Amino acid sequence: GEEVAQTPKHLVRGEGQKAKLYCAPIKGHSYVFWYQQVLKNEFKFLISFQNENVFDETGMPKERFSAKCLPNSPCSLEIQATKLEDSAVYFCASSRDRGDTQYFGPGTRLTVL
Amino acid sequence: DQQVKQNSPSLSVQEGRISILNCDYTNSMFDYFLWYKKYPAEGPTFLISISSIKDKNEDGRFTVFLNKSAKHLSLHIVPSQPGDSAVYFCAASALGGSNYKLTFGKGTLLTVNP
Repeated sequence: GEEVAQTPKHLVRGEGQKAKLYCAPIKGHSYVFWYQQVLKNEFKFLISFQNENVFDETGMPKERFSAKCLPNSPCSLEIQATKLEDSAVYFCASSRDRGDTQYFGPGTRLTVL
Repeated sequence: DQQVKQNSPSLSVQEGRISILNCDYTNSMFDYFLWYKKYPAEGPTFLISISSIKDKNEDGRFTVFLNKSAKHLSLHIVPSQPGDSAVYFCAASALGGSNYKLTFGKGTLLTVNP
């Protein structure tokens, strides 16, 4: 597609439950980035992929967060055993090549109760 | 440690006048800078970018200026329109260091009054 698609738009989970978010990058884009926006305006980088390979995972809280980009499937970000502090908007972005402009999806708002 | 700073949380201008949004950075490895515009409940929309080999880039009503020695960039919008009202984020990356993740400032809320 011509835009980055993210599903679902909203996700509500009880503390300790699993959450799974999906991202379909723009067709032809090889790089996918995940960012977490907390406290209204603060963006935090989580992880990036080059096609199905992890490119940079320096921002990932390794204990409960995992992510995948498999061929012919949307990329996914999974949080096991969610905590209250995971409440945030999660944005996915894609770029054609590694240094190109990143285009963002509409985000998934995760609320952990 | 905030590497990209937008010190003005908000800015209000009159329609037709110039809007100037400022951004400072501390990491000298940053060599690529972008401005994104964000409406509530939407994702950031790319506006304009500049590489560190340039000091100015222009696209229609939007111009970005980069002062490398001062580690400062600014976005000029002229003339400002009510539809420009949004939160503007400055972002930076270190392409030369093979680091492609974006580091964002905390944003400036621009309000353009009719």
